[in-house]
Amino acid sequence: QQQVKQSPQSLIVQKGGISIINCAYENTAFDYFPWYQQFPGKGPALLIAIRPDVSEKKEGRFTISFNKSAKQFSLHIMDSQPGDSATYFCAARDHNAGNMLTFGGGTRLMVKP
Amino acid sequence: EAQVTQNPRYLITVTGKKLTVTCSQNMNHEYMSWYRQDPGLGLRQIYYSMNVEVTDKGDVPEGYKVSRKEKRNFPLILESPSPNQTSLYFCASSLSGGGPRLGTDTQYFGPGTRLTVL
Repeated sequence: QQQVKQSPQSLIVQKGGISIINCAYENTAFDYFPWYQQFPGKGPALLIAIRPDVSEKKEGRFTISFNKSAKQFSLHIMDSQPGDSATYFCAARDHNAGNMLTFGGGTRLMVKP
Repeated sequence: EAQVTQNPRYLITVTGKKLTVTCSQNMNHEYMSWYRQDPGLGLRQIYYSMNVEVTDKGDVPEGYKVSRKEKRNFPLILESPSPNQTSLYFCASSLSGGGPRLGTDTQYFGPGTRLTVL
């Protein structure tokens, strides 16, 4: 049973559109929520992260929205570009469990030109 | 260049033949970990190490061993590989092993090792 559930599994967006990926969790001890971006043949790379004391964090075209009461968080990619085509993983960390990250199942994003 | 390196990048082996996947980081990070990536399951942690000679089990440790004799190296050992260990493996490191200290949370991943066990 996955502790972090991610949806959708795949997403196709037109260039210039908004890509939205959602994650939900159960463990209330999670205290750090990063998003990773992975290109084919590469390891995941940190994209943006948020802590539960804020409801939104924005870095360029990437925004995390966080709803602590609903135990949900989402990644929004504004003005999506073909270069954003990659697999995105949400994750959550319980700092009481040795910095272990629990990952969602991943979303494969394709941005069409 | 700051990086995490893994070797080999690709490996095909047979059931029961012991193998080691090496991982090395040059960032003087305390924390290192191993993940396996399987379709639809994301990445799952196998083992992690908070510092030299300190290791602990992650979510899926069965069939794996690790050691941390030096700060920079964290090899993953499969004593008797089985086909269900066919997967994509990633090593990662971060500055610290836990707590909310800013700037220490980011885990840097290696390029991955694709393992096939026949």
